[in-house]
Amino acid sequence: EDQVTQSPEALRLQEGESSSLNCSYTVSGLRGLFWYRQDPGKGPEFLFTLYSAGEEKEKERLKATLTKKESFLHITAPKPEDSATYLCAVAGATNKLIFGTGTLLAVQP
Amino acid sequence: DAGVIQSPRHEVTEMGQEVTLRCKPISGHNSLFWYRQTMMRGLELLIYFNNNVPIDDSGMPEDRFSAKMPNASFSTLKIQPSEPRDSAVYFCASSLWDRGGGYTFGSGTRLTVV
Repeated sequence: EDQVTQSPEALRLQEGESSSLNCSYTVSGLRGLFWYRQDPGKGPEFLFTLYSAGEEKEKERLKATLTKKESFLHITAPKPEDSATYLCAVAGATNKLIFGTGTLLAVQP
Repeated sequence: DAGVIQSPRHEVTEMGQEVTLRCKPISGHNSLFWYRQTMMRGLELLIYFNNNVPIDDSGMPEDRFSAKMPNASFSTLKIQPSEPRDSAVYFCASSLWDRGGGYTFGSGTRLTVV
């Protein structure tokens, strides 16, 4: 059964304090690993798709990496506007998108 | 593109009533997904369609839940009868059936059953 585990559940950072979020997964026939950002009262907003181990993608202060068992979302010099819940998901051979429970990030000024 | 459009944004109903949630996917997308989000369980996949055909409904919690996709531009999720434990945010998402890219979510419907 496809499964996604995210850690930590919550993370509080000071503005400018870099850190990483973890996503561990098991999936049959990985079609893609996804990172989403979700703000309160809104739907998940797509950030990245990673398809194979060793792949990396960047967007502003965010960088996502992928190995055969886990993915990291690195946040460099975060700002208060980066505060949100970050969701990791995998799509396997069935194309079902299975989510982890997310990491709630709070960046304090 | 207007993105994935869901209606209504909020729904408050009494226990036992029928509830219908609606979704218009992105034009050209051929896969559609219904999710439910709660604090306790996070985002749960209820059902998904490919080319308007239901592929996997194993996440539908009970027979009280049903979903249809009569054409490529419209889908409904119906709960009949509704119960307080159905209270959650329901999201619709659509994508292209390729390497799993581009799942786009709607803004969700917040359902409260009293």
